[in-house]
Amino acid sequence: SQQGEEDPQALSIQEGENATMNCSYKTSINNLQWYRQNSGRGLVHLILIRSNEREKHSGRLRVTLDTSKKSSSLLITASRAADTASYFCATDAGGSYIPTFGRGTSLIVHP
Amino acid sequence: GAGVSQSPSNKVTEKGKDVELRCDPISGHTALYWYRQRLGQGLEFLIYFQGNSAPDKSGLPSDRFSAERTGESVSTLTIQRTQQEDSAVYLCASSHDRGKAEAFFGQGTRLTVV
Repeated sequence: SQQGEEDPQALSIQEGENATMNCSYKTSINNLQWYRQNSGRGLVHLILIRSNEREKHSGRLRVTLDTSKKSSSLLITASRAADTASYFCATDAGGSYIPTFGRGTSLIVHP
Repeated sequence: GAGVSQSPSNKVTEKGKDVELRCDPISGHTALYWYRQRLGQGLEFLIYFQGNSAPDKSGLPSDRFSAERTGESVSTLTIQRTQQEDSAVYLCASSHDRGKAEAFFGQGTRLTVV
């Protein structure tokens, strides 16, 4: 079963705009990770946020975590055409620590 | 190695044949994961290895699927008597320690069963 679900399923924006993607999950988690996937092959790790953290930054990326709402958001500021990809959140819960993925958000950034 | 390496990159096989997929994790990573991704879908967990502990096989879809790992090194995923629904990208990932570090993925093996 899928723990995290990304929203929206697809997002189309112009270069320079900000892109926001959300992830909701069902049960309490240990960690939440965001990944990017280009062309349906390997995933690139973006950010890991732990359950006791609320916000993390990496370059143009900002991730927030609201454990009371069981949700996370990924913000990409000043988007570029090269940001076009699918973005996945992955959560691990309980003692398994196995990342469980959602279906992803497909982001298209038009130059 | 510098990253997770998977081979082959692409594999086309006839229905009913067995296939073996290989994953070389990052050196020193104790945790290794296999996932399957069908076209346009999310990642489906298959199996997880952590050090010398018994693997978590809870995601394997049928007894045609099996995987091995030698210590903390190479892992092989074997699919016996392949079916067309096995067509997917098979992704391997490794991490330094379970739950405490990010998982790094290989480029995957695209399996096509004809």
